[in-house]
Amino acid sequence: DAKTTQPTSMDCAEGRAANLPCNHSTISGNEYVYWYRQIHSQGPQYIIHGLKNNETNEMASLIITEDRKSSTLILPHATLRDTAVYYCIVRGYNFNKFYFGSGTKLNVKP
Amino acid sequence: DGGITQSPKYLFRKEGQNVTLSCEQNLNHDAMYWYRQDPGQGLRLIYYSQIVNDFQKGDIAEGYSVSREKKESFPLTVTSAQKNPTAFYLCASSFEVDRGFQPQHFGDGTRLSIL
Repeated sequence: DAKTTQPTSMDCAEGRAANLPCNHSTISGNEYVYWYRQIHSQGPQYIIHGLKNNETNEMASLIITEDRKSSTLILPHATLRDTAVYYCIVRGYNFNKFYFGSGTKLNVKP
Repeated sequence: DGGITQSPKYLFRKEGQNVTLSCEQNLNHDAMYWYRQDPGQGLRLIYYSQIVNDFQKGDIAEGYSVSREKKESFPLTVTSAQKNPTAFYLCASSFEVDRGFQPQHFGDGTRLSIL
C-alpha cells in the first residue's frame, strides 16, 4: 500500500475552512484514499473516502488531484470540536492493510 | 444505534496475568480487527478476522490471542508473554472486501496499564 505524507500540525480559525493536505505520490490505480480523525482518548472516526472523483458528505469534502498523487480534506466551517488528529490513509485490495501514520494535528482556535 | 462497543474503558494488569478485552459490534460487519496505539503513534494491526472461526495475525501478534466464535464478537487476550502491554487498544469492523472498499469503523478503545 502507498505511504502517505502529512504535515505534523496546522492551525485554523474557528468558522473558516480547514484544508488538510496529504501526499500519496506512490498510490496505485486500485487504491482508495480514506480520511479519519481521532480526538484524544477516543477511537478514530471515519470521515470520507474516494478513488479519483471529488467526494462530499455532511462532514467534509475530499479533493483528489487528477494524477491522484495528492489529496485535500476540506472542513468547510471549522469549529472548536474539529480539533483532532487527522489521518490520511491509502488502501487497496489488502483490506487488512490499513496503516495509520502520525497524522496532522489540527488546532481550531477561537 | 449501531456501533462497536469496547469494554472496559480502562484496565489494569498485574505482572504474569492474562487479561481479556471485549469487542462487540451490531453493524452486521463481516470483518473485525484489533489495533494497538502507543502515545503519539499511529495504529498497528494485532489480529484480524474475516469470518467466524477464522483469524489471521497482523504485524504485532506476539503475546496476544483472539477468538471469533460469533460474528458480533472478537475478544482480545493480552497474555503474560506480552512484555510491554501498556497501550491504547482499538477494535474495528468492516464489511468484507468483496462488498467494495468499505471503511473500517472503530470503537472507543480500552486503555491498558500495568500495575
